[in-house]
Amino acid sequence: AQSVSQHNHHVILSEAASLELGCNYSYGGTVNLFWYVQYPGQHLQLLLKYFSGDPLVKGIKGFEAEFIKSKFSFNLRKPSVQWSDTAEYFCAVRGYNKLIFGAGTRLAVHP
Amino acid sequence: EAGVAQSPRYKIIEKRQSVAFWCNPISGHATLYWYQQILGQGPKLLIQFQNNGVVDDSQLPKDRFSAERLKGVDSTLKIQPAKLEDSAVYLCASSPERGSGGYTFGSGTRLTVV
Repeated sequence: AQSVSQHNHHVILSEAASLELGCNYSYGGTVNLFWYVQYPGQHLQLLLKYFSGDPLVKGIKGFEAEFIKSKFSFNLRKPSVQWSDTAEYFCAVRGYNKLIFGAGTRLAVHP
Repeated sequence: EAGVAQSPRYKIIEKRQSVAFWCNPISGHATLYWYQQILGQGPKLLIQFQNNGVVDDSQLPKDRFSAERLKGVDSTLKIQPAKLEDSAVYLCASSPERGSGGYTFGSGTRLTVV
């Protein structure tokens, strides 16, 4: 069965700092990978997704993620965070036609 | 394009009572999902429908949870009787076809069982 592990439960950064959120997955077959964001009081929104091709994926709001197959990883990055990036971030893996989420990382960005 | 609609937004019930949630997916989306998101955890898939048939309900506690999708459009999720540990946000999502990456989530129903 597939599983997703997010390394950090809480991250606190100052504005303009760089961000990297870790995500590792466990699945034996072809996977599709996703990062979702949930702003306070709002619904889940898709940040970016990887299906195939270039392992460096660019998403909305300046986010990007790199798929490293050998490490079973799909880490999320942003060079310079803003206060408005304060949210919870979820990595998700789709295999066997099921979308499975990690536990999430709560990001707080201080001005 | 209208999003996935869910109601109610909030519900507070006492344990052992019953509750029902409603979801209206994006028009034309064949696949519908119900997720349970407990505070501090990621969403957990409860049940997946393809049109009006169940594709996966392996994580659904069938002794108390039930779901249906009449005519392959709207869906309801019911809990009877509710337990304290059912307190969570219940998310509905839909996608154009089974296996598609185009999942769209609703705002969810926050259930508190007291």
